[in-house]
Amino acid sequence: DTAVSQTPKYLVTQMGNDKSIKCEQNLGHDTMYWYKQDSKKFLKIMFSYNNKELIINETVPNRFSPKSPDKAHLNLHINSLELGDSAVYFCASSDISGGGGSYGYTFGSGTRLTVV
Amino acid sequence: AQSVTQLGSHVSVSEGALVLLRCNYSSSVPPYLFWYVQYPNQGLQLLLKYTSAATLVKGINGFEAEFKKSETSFHLTKPSAHMSDAAEYFCAVSDTLDFGNEKLTFGTGTRLTIIP
Repeated sequence: DTAVSQTPKYLVTQMGNDKSIKCEQNLGHDTMYWYKQDSKKFLKIMFSYNNKELIINETVPNRFSPKSPDKAHLNLHINSLELGDSAVYFCASSDISGGGGSYGYTFGSGTRLTVV
Repeated sequence: AQSVTQLGSHVSVSEGALVLLRCNYSSSVPPYLFWYVQYPNQGLQLLLKYTSAATLVKGINGFEAEFKKSETSFHLTKPSAHMSDAAEYFCAVSDTLDFGNEKLTFGTGTRLTIIP
C-alpha cells in the first residue's frame, strides 16, 4: 500500500486550462502539505493543512487553491494555468507523535505538470 | 528565518570511496535537520533526521550525519559508495514541530555521481 499517493503522475495541459491534482495518505497523519519543485530541483512549500485547517499559505498566486475534504486528502486545484506553473508538485504528510525521534514526514512520488 | 546551504551542486566519487555531502544551516532556534534522497523521476525518501537527540544520526543505506552546533553543520557521510547511491540529495531544516507549522526549508540539492 502506498503511504502518500498522488494522481495523476504526469499532467500535460495547455495554458489557460484549469486542472486538479489529488493526494491521499493512509498513514493517519494529521498534517498534509503541497511542495513545488522547479526545473532547477529547488523545493519550496506552498501550503499545509492540519486536520482540514489551512495553516501555511506561502506566497502562492491565488490561482492555486488547496482543498482538504478530510484529513486524509489534500487536493490542489490550479486555475488559468501558465507556462511558469510547469514543475513537479509533491504532496506530503507528517505526524508529530510526541517525544523526540517520532517525527515523520512522508512524501508522495510527485506529479509532473507541463503547461504548453 | 531558517535556511540551508548545500556546498557543491555536483559531487563525484569513485565506487568504494567515502561520500561526503555538505550542509550548513541557519536557524534562530534549535533546528530539526533532515537529509532526503531523490532518485530520478521519484519522490523524496527520508535518509535520516536530527531532532535534538544524539548528535550522530544513523540512517538508511549506510548513511550517517553529525549535528555540529558550533559549526552549524549537518554533513552527510557514507564510508563506501555504491553505484546505487547515485541520486540527488537534499538537506532540509525545520525550526518547529508545531502541528501543521513544521514546514521544511530545503537546500538546493547535491547531485551525487558514482564513478565505476
